[in-house]
Amino acid sequence: KQEVTQIPAALSVPEGENLVLNCSFTDSAIYNLQWFRQDPGKGLTSLLLIQSSQREQTSGRLNASLDKSSGRSTLYIAASQPGDSATYLCAVIGSNSGYALNFGKGTSLLVTP
Amino acid sequence: GAGVSQSPSNKVTEKGKDVELRCDPISGHTALYWYRQSLGQGLEFLIYFQGNSAPDKSGLPSDRFSAERTGGSVSTLTIQRTQQEDSAVYLCASRWTSFDTQYFGPGTRLTVL
Repeated sequence: KQEVTQIPAALSVPEGENLVLNCSFTDSAIYNLQWFRQDPGKGLTSLLLIQSSQREQTSGRLNASLDKSSGRSTLYIAASQPGDSATYLCAVIGSNSGYALNFGKGTSLLVTP
Repeated sequence: GAGVSQSPSNKVTEKGKDVELRCDPISGHTALYWYRQSLGQGLEFLIYFQGNSAPDKSGLPSDRFSAERTGGSVSTLTIQRTQQEDSAVYLCASRWTSFDTQYFGPGTRLTVL
């Protein structure tokens, strides 16, 4: 069974810092990996999707990398802002049926002014 | 265009009552998923619908849970004889193709007293 782990569980940084969120998964037979953002009381917003054949994706200040063979992904946030405060979730689509997402428990990020 | 919508946004019920949660996916999306987000448990897959195929119910936690999708569009998740452990946020997502991004609704927060 696919297990997705995110480290750290919580992170607090001052505004302007660059930061890295980590995600690991136990079964490397994945189709893709997604990073989501969740704000309190809200649904999930997709940030980046990396197909299994890709190594990284970039969107604005966000960069996500994927090393499928080692079962790892990182989300890099450059020049963090207070508006980046949210929970960041990593999810993989593996060989389980239905292409359902397997989620980690998330990293709760607080960026202080 | 319109995103995924869910209703109600909040539902408080008494233990033992039945509840119905509704999801309106993005128009044209062929696949629909239900997930549950419990405190401390993370996001768990419940059920998946793809077109007119039989649903994948492998994530449903008990036979008190059922779901249907009418006309390939709207879906209803029904929980019979609710228990306190059913308290969670129930999220619906839809997508177009197999490896496309899943788009999430805002969720229904269910509280069982």
